[in-house]
Amino acid sequence: DAGVIQSPRHEVTEMGQEVTLRCKPISGHDYLFWYRQTMMRGLELLIYFNNNVPIDDSGMPEDRFSAKMPNASFSTLKIQPSEPRDSAVYFCASSKSRLAKNIQYFGAGTRLSVL
Amino acid sequence: GQSLEQPSEVTAVEGAIVQMNCTYQTSGFYGLSWYQQHDGGAPTFLSYNALDGLEETGRFSSFLSRSDSYGYLLLQELQMKDSASYFCAAPRSGTYKYIFGTGTRLKVLA
Repeated sequence: DAGVIQSPRHEVTEMGQEVTLRCKPISGHDYLFWYRQTMMRGLELLIYFNNNVPIDDSGMPEDRFSAKMPNASFSTLKIQPSEPRDSAVYFCASSKSRLAKNIQYFGAGTRLSVL
Repeated sequence: GQSLEQPSEVTAVEGAIVQMNCTYQTSGFYGLSWYQQHDGGAPTFLSYNALDGLEETGRFSSFLSRSDSYGYLLLQELQMKDSASYFCAAPRSGTYKYIFGTGTRLKVLA
């Protein structure tokens, strides 16, 4: 398996623009997580899905952020409009329920810079 | 509230043993995980403790004491490639809502 695949790897955009981050989880995994990592706030869970259904989005910072999972093999995180404070590395991770050790497999991340 | 606290930085020499601590305050508890992250890389899973005691995987061991709200990761026979950040993580009880610790940056010196 190729692991969790995220695109793009790097995104540079201007304030006010819409940004869409994409994620393909590992086949057969039924949990998908979106995280944001910054020096100031560390690694924060934004939202997670189970069987394509959003379970907890309490970590989404504000209404400018939205996430969807239209099917088991694809998810998006959208920021509209983007702001400089959104600059961070965004990770997607997937996990399989009932798997011992609750291992989460992380993608390589998208480094977002909002100018 | 929920938080997992870790020392910010630890330095050790090649071949030595290092222990990185994690103290937590969570409402409910569902096991403690450890992840390694190299600069510019993604977190990768190292170890998990569902119950109190020691779990060993090669050079890595992890310990948990739920009564003390405390765990640690032990690395033996340190190698230069072990220089990375190490995070403890725990989900809120009954959920998959993971809280990650503040992270410890390990520097291994030759």
